[in-house]
Amino acid sequence: GAVVSQHPSWVICKSGTSVKIECRSLDFQATTMFWYRQFPKQSLMLMATSNEGSKATYEQGVEKDKFLINHASLTLSTLTVTSAHPEDSSFYICSAGGGHDSNQPQHFGDGTRLSIL
Amino acid sequence: AQKITQTQPGMFVQEKEAVTLDCTYDTSDPSYGLFWYKQPSSGEMIFLIYQGSYDQQNATEGRYSLNFQKARKSANLVISASQLGDSAMYFCAMREGGSARQLTFGSGTQLTVLP
Repeated sequence: GAVVSQHPSWVICKSGTSVKIECRSLDFQATTMFWYRQFPKQSLMLMATSNEGSKATYEQGVEKDKFLINHASLTLSTLTVTSAHPEDSSFYICSAGGGHDSNQPQHFGDGTRLSIL
Repeated sequence: AQKITQTQPGMFVQEKEAVTLDCTYDTSDPSYGLFWYKQPSSGEMIFLIYQGSYDQQNATEGRYSLNFQKARKSANLVISASQLGDSAMYFCAMREGGSARQLTFGSGTQLTVLP
């Protein structure tokens, strides 16, 4: 079964709306979670690394004020797309895991399809 | 420079045949991990197989095997006895250094299995 839960699966909303996406680790604690963005027929691009109890680390070119990340507990990270516009429409997907063993895979949520009208 | 390169945007294979998806990587870190994920059209990322930089043997998981050639920095995925359900996008990814590090993905290969 799924070890990382992501909600909602899809969102359609008007331009200017803020949208919150949740990523939960279901049966393990994750001090670090990752947020990726994927455009159609393209690869996953890391947006930011979410760290429990501290500020997220954003990749170059990602607007911190546009994509707010909160990692309030060891099982929950949230991504809020603030004042969303059509160009923010994309597939957002989170991951967690890996543990202390480098051979453990990251587990991904099922992703969120965001459409801004 | 690209850290993960997948040179095959699209591949076709006949059902029940084997197929190899190419992946080359670039890193100066002696400790790294290589992963393959499958992404069907529904979007979820499904972990398939892992190869560690220090692993002596090629990884295998059911119908999936990884042809790891360290000197060539390649980590090709071999799918044996292809099934129609194998049609999907396949991503090669690398994690460098410690375990709590992000994955870097290749551009992906769209595999289509023909009946």
